[in-house]
Amino acid sequence: DAGITQSPRYKITETGRQVTLMCHQTWSHSYMFWYRQDLGHGLRLIYYSAAADITDKGEVPDGYVVSRSKTENFPLTLESATRSQTSVYFCASSPRAVLDYEQYFGPGTRLTVT
Amino acid sequence: GNSVTQMEGPVTLSEEAFLTINCTYTATGYPSLFWYVQYPGEGLQLLLKATKADDKGSNKGFEATYRKETTSFHLEKGSVQVSDSAVYFCALSDRGGSEKLVFGKGTKLTVNP
Repeated sequence: DAGITQSPRYKITETGRQVTLMCHQTWSHSYMFWYRQDLGHGLRLIYYSAAADITDKGEVPDGYVVSRSKTENFPLTLESATRSQTSVYFCASSPRAVLDYEQYFGPGTRLTVT
Repeated sequence: GNSVTQMEGPVTLSEEAFLTINCTYTATGYPSLFWYVQYPGEGLQLLLKATKADDKGSNKGFEATYRKETTSFHLEKGSVQVSDSAVYFCALSDRGGSEKLVFGKGTKLTVNP
């Protein structure tokens, strides 16, 4: 399917477990982003990537790891999940630097850490 | 640093009412400004944008004008519909070299029939 997809859509995990959220886009967009959405905070950038093998921290990177070995994939890993990481996670992509170009968002992954 | 401030929600209106959602920003350089909309259970999607002062972005009956003198980008619609119920996010990108969008906290709109 064309577009940007995320998997899983829902995930429940226990504190201390490692969990990986997947993001896949079919447009060959250079830029990809991970956000978390929490009530009262809006969207906060976790990590972003300008191209394969290039990643950089966003506003709230602690506790998260990303990689980008292929242009189309941008997985987000929580190495040791904590309850504070319970959130809705959105992946997004953009064809160029976002200055004038929109970001295209995936449908989100709702993660609950118990 | 760059920031976006939106009016607190939630906002509840009756169908055909006039909508205004206020958005002001603080930025270095000359940002582009965006409104994104999130329908229930979905990701965000671009509603409209403006890339320079005095530009007006419009889409689906929504409008917003980039006001540099008041650092504002208020979202308006003359007659809302039930289908406009969603969360609306104001955002900016800084032409100063950042690839990132900075989002406001979002405003939830509910339109009742």
